[in-house]
Amino acid sequence: SAVISQKPSRDICQRGTSLTIQCQVDSQVTMMFWYRQQPGQSLTLIATANQGSEATYESGFVIDKFPISRPNLTFSTLTVSNMSPEDSSIYLCSVEGRTLPHPNNEQFFGPGTRLTVL
Amino acid sequence: EDQVTQSPEALRLQEGESSSLNCSYTVSGLRGLFWYRQDPGKGPEFLFTLYSAGEEKEKERLKATLTKKESFLHITAPKPEDSATYLCAASIGGNEKLTFGTGTRLTIIP
Repeated sequence: SAVISQKPSRDICQRGTSLTIQCQVDSQVTMMFWYRQQPGQSLTLIATANQGSEATYESGFVIDKFPISRPNLTFSTLTVSNMSPEDSSIYLCSVEGRTLPHPNNEQFFGPGTRLTVL
Repeated sequence: EDQVTQSPEALRLQEGESSSLNCSYTVSGLRGLFWYRQDPGKGPEFLFTLYSAGEEKEKERLKATLTKKESFLHITAPKPEDSATYLCAASIGGNEKLTFGTGTRLTIIP
């Protein structure tokens, strides 16, 4: 399975500011995703980070609020812009891993970034 | 609308008391059914993927099964270290994105 790291692991931010979260994978992967997990809730997909093209956003999420970069096959960033307390969540990146001898897809998650907005 | 529902929301068991967690799904074109374990403050840890009705997978005290409408995560003789939130998720159609259930918070009492 892929080893995934995220930076920062946690942060406390002021309303109106922006935070960029980094996701680094130890091997090249085709698919990378960004999820949000609000307090006490399950995971919601924000967008699929596409290498070399614009991210694909899910309903309810827009590029101006959550710009995403994917410069190569091992790295992606998610920015949470113009933050409000409602953005307080855990943000998780995940990657699709294809491991031999089982070619079926599996998804692995990073440790998450805990964001608190005051 | 594609939906994944987990029950119960929370479950408390005595150490050694076996039980099952349920994940029901109403999706068009299930591609895979995933089970994850999540400890507080951490990202989900991959457990299993099931792809077709009748399939079963095992790992230590956990066994996952799949029918055309639901999946079960059976836990046999659990230990306190099995305490965690267990999430199921469905991968639908031709893409890899996951739709998650709300999870079952499992507590094993010594």
